[in-house]
Amino acid sequence: DTAVSQTPKYLVTQMGNDKSIKCEQNLGHDTMYWYKQDSKKFLKIMFSYNNKELIINETVPNRFSPKSPDKAHLNLHINSLELGDSAVYFCASSRKGAEAFFGQGTRLTVV
Amino acid sequence: GENVEQHPSTLSVQEGDSAVIKCTYSDSASNYFPWYKQELGKGPQLIIDIRSNVGEKKDQRIAVTLNKTAKHFSLHITETQPEDSAVYFCAAGGGSSASKIIFGSGTRLSIRP
Repeated sequence: DTAVSQTPKYLVTQMGNDKSIKCEQNLGHDTMYWYKQDSKKFLKIMFSYNNKELIINETVPNRFSPKSPDKAHLNLHINSLELGDSAVYFCASSRKGAEAFFGQGTRLTVV
Repeated sequence: GENVEQHPSTLSVQEGDSAVIKCTYSDSASNYFPWYKQELGKGPQLIIDIRSNVGEKKDQRIAVTLNKTAKHFSLHITETQPEDSAVYFCAAGGGSSASKIIFGSGTRLSIRP
């Protein structure tokens, strides 16, 4: 069974479009994250939710809006996509202060 | 906030030799230090972790050491094999923001046959 699953795996879209990436975890974790990995492989935290509550919001354009309908889901919606948004986005989950389990990533390409 | 620095950015070793990757962190309150391995096209996966009450931990060919005073920790891989080729990330967490895991910049390890 997949622990952290995110969809889609690949997303190609035009500039200016709005898109969403979905994430679900079946580990019973309270904390979920979104990370962005750029072409140089840097992994930067974007958001963290604990029990559906936003607890970390790094310096991310407000075009990015996370939504957590319940503890097991954390979706990422992106408005007005720009070329610089192209990257691999990883969802992850963990118990507080413990190992983070990552999804397989969503490769977003904005053309 | 926490800042994690990782060196080297790339590392090439002969198969069978050892590889060492080093990281430093800034938040003295951090108490959890995981290491992740990322293979091509996949998400990072935990390979070993250490908490601040332990100085060293070993799991088969992989070991991690932690120096809390100096705020640095290292990953040691012995008897390297081709399947060890990947990008490795150190991370620190559990500090002032217990729900935040901050990653180093990654080390691309290549094992030469």
